[in-house]
Amino acid sequence: DARVTQTPRHKVTEMGQEVTMRCQPILGHNTVFWYRQTMMQGLELLAYFRNRAPLDDSGMPKDRFSAEMPDATLATLKIQPSEPRDSAVYFCASGQGPALFEQYFGPGTRLTVT
Amino acid sequence: EDKVVQSPLSLVVHEGDTVTLNCSYEVTNFRSLLWYKQEKKAPTFLFMLTSSGIEKKSGRLSSILDKKELFSILNITATQTGDSAIYLCALTQGDSGNTPLVFGKGTRLSVIA
Repeated sequence: DARVTQTPRHKVTEMGQEVTMRCQPILGHNTVFWYRQTMMQGLELLAYFRNRAPLDDSGMPKDRFSAEMPDATLATLKIQPSEPRDSAVYFCASGQGPALFEQYFGPGTRLTVT
Repeated sequence: EDKVVQSPLSLVVHEGDTVTLNCSYEVTNFRSLLWYKQEKKAPTFLFMLTSSGIEKKSGRLSSILDKKELFSILNITATQTGDSAIYLCALTQGDSGNTPLVFGKGTRLSVIA
């Protein structure tokens, strides 16, 4: 039963600390997305990669957020320094292209910045 | 600005009722519309629609797309308490399928016994 995995599932940190979230896409999927979900904004795209190359990170605050795919089995999202407004659930999703496909979501990382 | 609007925002029904959830959109270069169900954790995929008038069906759930009027509906018949969730509508755009989802705010469905 292939699925997207994310770690950690929950993270509580203090303002100013660095946060790193990790995602393992489904094996063989070549497209990876990072989304953020808040009550006010709903689900929004932060960044995405195809074949490990970043295609769009316009949804991320560039001064504090960074996303990378060091290899095909790992995607990371880093926040440095974290702020209370970053509190949200961060989802990773993966899919297989180039034809139309559905995206499969990981369980999410619930981040709380105090 | 592109947008996806879902209605109603929330809905409370009794078990056995039939519900219709709506999703209207205004996007450039539409490619596909997807429905997801989100319970307490991650969204799970329900349907992908690309062509008008062709109903997709899975058990008690069905969905259809109208590309002329720019909307989709998700029907759930004989609702059960397990159908309680947030139902999300999302779109992809562009000529390639590998594009991010643009989500609506969701419809929160509560089914009471």
